[in-house]
Amino acid sequence: ETGVTQSPTHLIKTRGQQVTLRCSSQSGHNTVSWYQQALGQGPQFIFQYYREEENGRGNFPPRFSGLQFPNYSSELNVNALELDDSALYLCASSARDRGAFFGQGTRLTVV
Amino acid sequence: GDSVTQMEGPVTLSEEAFLTINCTYTATGYPSLFWYVQYPGEGLQLLLKATKADDKGSNKGFEATYRKETTSFHLEKGSVQVSDSAVYFCALSSYNLDNTDKLIFGTGTRLQVFP
Repeated sequence: ETGVTQSPTHLIKTRGQQVTLRCSSQSGHNTVSWYQQALGQGPQFIFQYYREEENGRGNFPPRFSGLQFPNYSSELNVNALELDDSALYLCASSARDRGAFFGQGTRLTVV
Repeated sequence: GDSVTQMEGPVTLSEEAFLTINCTYTATGYPSLFWYVQYPGEGLQLLLKATKADDKGSNKGFEATYRKETTSFHLEKGSVQVSDSAVYFCALSSYNLDNTDKLIFGTGTRLQVFP
């Protein structure tokens, strides 16, 4: 049973604005990963945080950035929003070889 | 690079029919393999996993066997229910040199089960 929660659940932003999405990880999991899921596609890896440091990054530009806090919760920040950033953003917390547990996601719409 | 290929959907079945969703992968190392399920408007739920060759993952009547010789991890269920209607994602996880454990997903297969 997942204990990963994300906020907000839905968000509408204007092109050029900045957005912050939040995630609290499952108890005992010190690794948090963020994924972008465009409509009708599989999730794409954005980046991962382990013990408050970025620990790997997918093919996303620097305007996608993040933080992990001492309690292992995390934020995803996106600057200079573009229309193509409209997607479901998923946070996942994990422990090695156990699989990742996902939150319900934040649906971001950029207009 | 590593990748996952799934059969395209939608897969449309009657209740109690047998389900197979094909998944093959390409990986340079020894990945763990997963099936995730996504119900409408929700995030992904881990359905089952296998961490090494010949392992069988199972959960809620679903099964998949890690076949290294055919690089496959097909999802099966003997008798589907209407409540199984969802999108199913096959994924692999492998450790990179920077110790990043990222999931690589297929494009998903939509399953529709009718009474």
